[in-house]
Amino acid sequence: GIQVEQSPPDLILQEGANSTLRCNFSDSVNNLQWFHQNPWGQLINLFYIPSGTKQNGRLSATTVATERYSLLYISSSQTTDSGVYFCAVPQKWGAQKLVFGQGTRLTINP
Amino acid sequence: NAGVTQTPKFRVLKTGQSMTLLCAQDMNHEYMYWYRQDPGMGLRLIHYSVGEGTTAKGEVPDGYNVSRLKKQNFLLGLESAAPSQTSVYFCASSNELAPAGEQFFGPGTRLTVL
Repeated sequence: GIQVEQSPPDLILQEGANSTLRCNFSDSVNNLQWFHQNPWGQLINLFYIPSGTKQNGRLSATTVATERYSLLYISSSQTTDSGVYFCAVPQKWGAQKLVFGQGTRLTINP
Repeated sequence: NAGVTQTPKFRVLKTGQSMTLLCAQDMNHEYMYWYRQDPGMGLRLIHYSVGEGTTAKGEVPDGYNVSRLKKQNFLLGLESAAPSQTSVYFCASSNELAPAGEQFFGPGTRLTVL
């Protein structure tokens, strides 16, 4: 099945810093999602981005499907951005499921 | 518009007890999913449904049953709970069958089996 790798696994920054999170996947996809799992465990949809670039406030994402990667940019980080960021892509065959990466744990210190 | 909701939020069971987790969505989505999240394992699909009255097995279905009697509800049952079922359970819904559809997740249910 498709493999999803995220980097870095951990990232610690000061408030106000910018960050880039990367998601690599092993096969072509027609769907990619970015999620934020907050410290309370909730999975928040950030982007549905099969290709191209999208922006939502301080967050933006770019997926280059032909090169099998996606990037999540966070600018002017705030402490509320802390948590784990997951990317997920669909498995091509068999059961209909999203395959999640292992996540990037982001800690923003005041 | 509440999106996807789950009840209960927390539950502690003893080995052998049974329980039902309820998932409800108000987005008129056809497709619904149950995942479990375990440390180091990511999210794994338990069961899913492509419409009212239908269910199908996912990646880790053993020990669970599901029902989709109404379009907006998807129930996950544990008939005889085991400690290996200690996990966080997430329900999701989508308006298109994966791989095309964006999935929206509920807040999760944290289950502990003693």
